[in-house]
Amino acid sequence: NAGVTQTPKFRILKIGQSMTLQCAQDMNHNYMYWYRQDPGMGLKLIYYSVGAGITDKGEVPNGYNVSRSTTEDFPLRLELAAPSQTSVYFCASTPELPPSIQYFGAGTRLSVL
Amino acid sequence: DQQVKQNSPSLSVQEGRISILNCDYTNSMFDYFLWYKKYPAEGPTFLISISSIKDKNEDGRFTVFLNKSAKHLSLHIVPSQPGDSAVYFCAETWGTYKYIFGTGTRLKVLA
Repeated sequence: NAGVTQTPKFRILKIGQSMTLQCAQDMNHNYMYWYRQDPGMGLKLIYYSVGAGITDKGEVPNGYNVSRSTTEDFPLRLELAAPSQTSVYFCASTPELPPSIQYFGAGTRLSVL
Repeated sequence: DQQVKQNSPSLSVQEGRISILNCDYTNSMFDYFLWYKKYPAEGPTFLISISSIKDKNEDGRFTVFLNKSAKHLSLHIVPSQPGDSAVYFCAETWGTYKYIFGTGTRLKVLA
C-alpha cells in the first residue's frame, strides 16, 4: 500500500545547483500534480500531467520542469536553484479529473541557501 | 481572482467539544469542495467532501456544511479528540484540472 512516494524527504541545495524531486505512484492514476507550500500559505500548483507524455503548467511553473514518461513517475526538476524555491513540495495523484480525491505524498522539504 | 480563504490560522478546542473550521470562497463556479487533514511531516489526506448540489454531508464525527449564498463552507468535528489535532485545508474545484487550496487552520484539541 505505498500510494504516492516522494524522495528525498529533505534536501539542502546551494544557489545555482540543480536537483530532481522524485514522485512515484502505484495506483495507476492518470492525473498527477506538483504543489509547493510556503509557510502560512496554501498549496500552489506548479505543474500537472493528465497522462504519460502530457504535462502542462500550473500557477507557479517558473524555475521548474517536469516530465512524464510513464504513468507511475512524475519527477520535478529544478535547474538553477534560487532561495525563492525554498519550500515544501508535495506530489499528488488522482484517478480522474476533478471532482476527485487527491492522494498526496509525504512531501520534500527543500532549502536553498 | 479565485480565492479561498481560511481566516482563522489556528483554533484550540477542549476534548469532547465541537470544533468548527471555516472557509470562504469567491468563485461561484466552484462546484465541489473538499477538506484535507495534514499532520506534521506528512502529506494532506482526504477527510470529507461536498458537492454544490448539497448543503450538508456527514461522515461519522465530521460534517461539512455549504452555504452557497454566503459562499461559505464549514467543517464541524463532534466530539473533538486529541488525535484530531492537525492542520485542516479546504479545497475547491469546478471540473478542470485545478484545485484551489486555502491557507489552512491549525486545530489543537486539548485533553
